[in-house]
Amino acid sequence: DIQVTQSPSTLSASVGDRVTITCRASQNINSWLAWYQQKPGRAPNLLIHKASSLQSGAPSRFSGSGSGTEFTLTISSLQPDDFATYYCQQYHTDATFGQGTKVEIK
Amino acid sequence: EVQLVESGGNLVQPGGSLRLSCVASGFTFTSYWMHWVRQAPGKGLVWVSRVNGDGRSTLYVDAVEGRFTISRDNAKNTLYLQMNSLRDEDTAVYYCGRGPAHGGSYLEHWGQGTLVTVSS
Repeated sequence: DIQVTQSPSTLSASVGDRVTITCRASQNINSWLAWYQQKPGRAPNLLIHKASSLQSGAPSRFSGSGSGTEFTLTISSLQPDDFATYYCQQYHTDATFGQGTKVEIK
Repeated sequence: EVQLVESGGNLVQPGGSLRLSCVASGFTFTSYWMHWVRQAPGKGLVWVSRVNGDGRSTLYVDAVEGRFTISRDNAKNTLYLQMNSLRDEDTAVYYCGRGPAHGGSYLEHWGQGTLVTVSS
């Protein structure tokens, strides 16, 4: 099974900050990685697929990069609406989510 | 507009059974893989199962293999998850989700979720 590890688990940041979240896969998954945002009590929302493709409707301040085993999600300038939990998911073999990164107000 | 509406969540005793449903609208149901993902209270997301467009190909996470069955009724635009031999650790919000047009296993659209509680 492919394991996916996110870091950090929690991140404290301020509005306007540039934020980066890392996701590492236990083996090569090419670019088969997605990123989601989830707010409390709500279903997740797809932000990025195929490592760097911005989902229609997702704000352009979100970007994804990486391939193989190491990936990043970057928020270029953190907005009040962005305080949430973020998950990566590999879909190279079956599907596995990372454990999540909670972005908190500093 | 794509809509996915889950139902069927409830309180059930360990060892019991439950069937979840997810009614889809706003897209050609047969053209898309469909998925179930769950989230235990205060925990992260866990992919549970997926089914292809004609219902003939299914896949499960190891933790539910042999106990859960995913299926779909394309005439009713409805996805199902039959859950048998339920355990305490199956307690979670269960989300149904739609994959992308080309059959990949990420979820473009999600339902609002339905809560399953397994407890005596």
